[in-house]
Amino acid sequence: QKEVEQNSGPLSVPEGAIASLNCTYSDRGSQSFFWYRQYSGKSPELIMFIYSNGDKEDGRFTAQLNKASQYVSLLIRDSQPSDSATYLCAVFSSNTGKLIFGQGTTLQVKP
Amino acid sequence: SQTIHQWPATLVQPVGSPLSLECTVEGTSNPNLYWYRQAAGRGLQLLFYSVGIGQISSEVPQNLSASRPQDRQFILSSKKLLLSDSGFYLCAWRLTGERQPQHFGDGTRLSIL
Repeated sequence: QKEVEQNSGPLSVPEGAIASLNCTYSDRGSQSFFWYRQYSGKSPELIMFIYSNGDKEDGRFTAQLNKASQYVSLLIRDSQPSDSATYLCAVFSSNTGKLIFGQGTTLQVKP
Repeated sequence: SQTIHQWPATLVQPVGSPLSLECTVEGTSNPNLYWYRQAAGRGLQLLFYSVGIGQISSEVPQNLSASRPQDRQFILSSKKLLLSDSGFYLCAWRLTGERQPQHFGDGTRLSIL
């Protein structure tokens, strides 16, 4: 079992729809979770972080965390073609003191 | 504010040639530093990380090496490049602490001919 798992996609949504990106993790002791966006040919950039169960909203982005289910998600409302990118989930591992990254989900927003 | 500089942006090297990629961080002290490689269409592979000057941990066996001669400088090297060393190399930093995010440089695209 991978430490951080994401569906590689591609996830295709029409413009204006809600995109839902999911991530599961294996370390039940993990407390900190991060979402990165990576455009093709570019480096990853941090877009959201969440530490507590529940929802955290920032503009069109909402991160959702359920520690009991070991599940974290990213919702993108009113998706735009400029949101087309690969989204990486990262989980802090208290065992190693490092961020563990998932393989990423590619999102395609169709105009 | 903190910034991370990584150069060069692109590099084309022949097989068997040496390599030196440099990364520097400004605006912070004692960062944790990381080198990743990303093959086309793939995820991030952690190559090396460092928690302090002269302290290097290697994640995967390979013909690459890393050094940290100064607190905010991280260097990735190879004596003889292989075709399989091609990829997108990313340097990153983060402060120690569970809630600290990681920040990436702009990356170096390395092509081996």
